[in-house]
Amino acid sequence: EVQLVESGGGLVQPGGSLRLSCAASGFTFSSYSMHWVRQAPGKGLEYVSAIGSNGDTTHYADSVRGRFTISRDNSKNTLYLQMGSLRGEDMAVYYCARVRAGFSGYDFWGQGTLVTVSS
Amino acid sequence: DIQLTQSPSFLSASVGDRVTITCRASQGISTFLAWYQQKPGKAPNLLIYAASTLQSGVPSRFSGSGSGTEFTLTISSLQPEDFASYYCQQLNSYPPYTFGQGTKLEIK
Repeated sequence: EVQLVESGGGLVQPGGSLRLSCAASGFTFSSYSMHWVRQAPGKGLEYVSAIGSNGDTTHYADSVRGRFTISRDNSKNTLYLQMGSLRGEDMAVYYCARVRAGFSGYDFWGQGTLVTVSS
Repeated sequence: DIQLTQSPSFLSASVGDRVTITCRASQGISTFLAWYQQKPGKAPNLLIYAASTLQSGVPSRFSGSGSGTEFTLTISSLQPEDFASYYCQQLNSYPPYTFGQGTKLEIK
């Protein structure tokens, strides 16, 4: 059974940092591109970042570029999102998602982890 | 960046109704479009990929169509469990892989 389990969310002050993790199981993690998607309270879905299957290609939404870093450790079946210089508008539930073969959608999602940015 | 515009943003319907949600892209994306359903407090669930292919396990009352810039998601006969929010997403060749703003489907 495919499972994605996020962790690392919590309360952080504006300007602070946080690292999210996404532990994958039930599939060959190293064969899939992985993305992060977030959802602010009461709002829609927002693409955040992408990483290729072997970590060689990455991409960021304009809203997080230069502040967030996506990475993965295929030996640990884990995806990461290092978040820095956090702002109020970064407050959201963060989901990791597996990119379906053929790059045609996200076929599995984690349960999400809440990041709260507040002083 | 490619923008996606969903309509309507809110939709009120009854069990048994046929409903259609539209997603328009700011430029052509061939059939690189997916549809998701999201229920409150839950992660989204993939319904349709490649504009018209039903994801495994998704009921056949859901269908998708379109190519280029205009796409539709149709639910042929609404069931109580279908009342949720729906999002389109484009996965054209280059990121960002933007989402539409969402459509909230409510019970009339």
